[in-house]
Amino acid sequence: QVQLVQSGAEVKKPGSSVKVSCKASGGALSSNTISWVRQAPGQGLEWMGRIIPILGIPNYAQKFQGRVTITADKSTSTAYMELSSLRSEDTAVYYCARGALDLGTEDYWGQGTLVTVSS
Amino acid sequence: DIVLTQTPLSSPVILGQPASISCRSSQSLVHSDGNTYLSWLQQRPGQPPRLLIYKVSNRFSGVPDRFSGSGAGTDFTLKISRVEAEDVGVYYCMQATHFPPLTFGGGTKVEIK
Repeated sequence: QVQLVQSGAEVKKPGSSVKVSCKASGGALSSNTISWVRQAPGQGLEWMGRIIPILGIPNYAQKFQGRVTITADKSTSTAYMELSSLRSEDTAVYYCARGALDLGTEDYWGQGTLVTVSS
Repeated sequence: DIVLTQTPLSSPVILGQPASISCRSSQSLVHSDGNTYLSWLQQRPGQPPRLLIYKVSNRFSGVPDRFSGSGAGTDFTLKISRVEAEDVGVYYCMQATHFPPLTFGGGTKVEIK
């Protein structure tokens, strides 16, 4: 049973950074990818970036280049997304999702982590 | 980047009746490997997205057979043959053919009339 369990909600000040974790079970990281997708309140889904954990190679959306860092620790089957220089517009629910190479899509999603940026 | 346009924005449906959602891409989603990486996701209120359909027409594990996907090239459709109360939520199409980035449609809200 594949499960992605994310860290808890965060409240951050503008200008600070946040690091969200995503722990995989059930062999979720074995030969797949992990994407990070965010959803602002009442809005749609926005892809931020992806990593291939076994290689440690990330891809980032142009919009977040320079502000986002995605990493993975194979030993603990955990992926991380760190977003810096936070502003109020970064208030959103952040999801991790496994990319299944055989399906060509993201098949399992974490429960989401609410990040609130407020002074 | 690929733009995915979904219609309608909202779809009020009577329980037991069908529903249909369209997703149109700004470019063909046929990959050089011959596959078309167009998926459909369901997001129930307060829940994370859930994969329903991958590669246009393949139902994911555990997805009821009242959900079906079709289409080719730039035009795709998700159909629910008989809407049930648990189908209420927002539906998104997503493409991975022209990665990076992954892109999503704007979403279609399915609600009970």
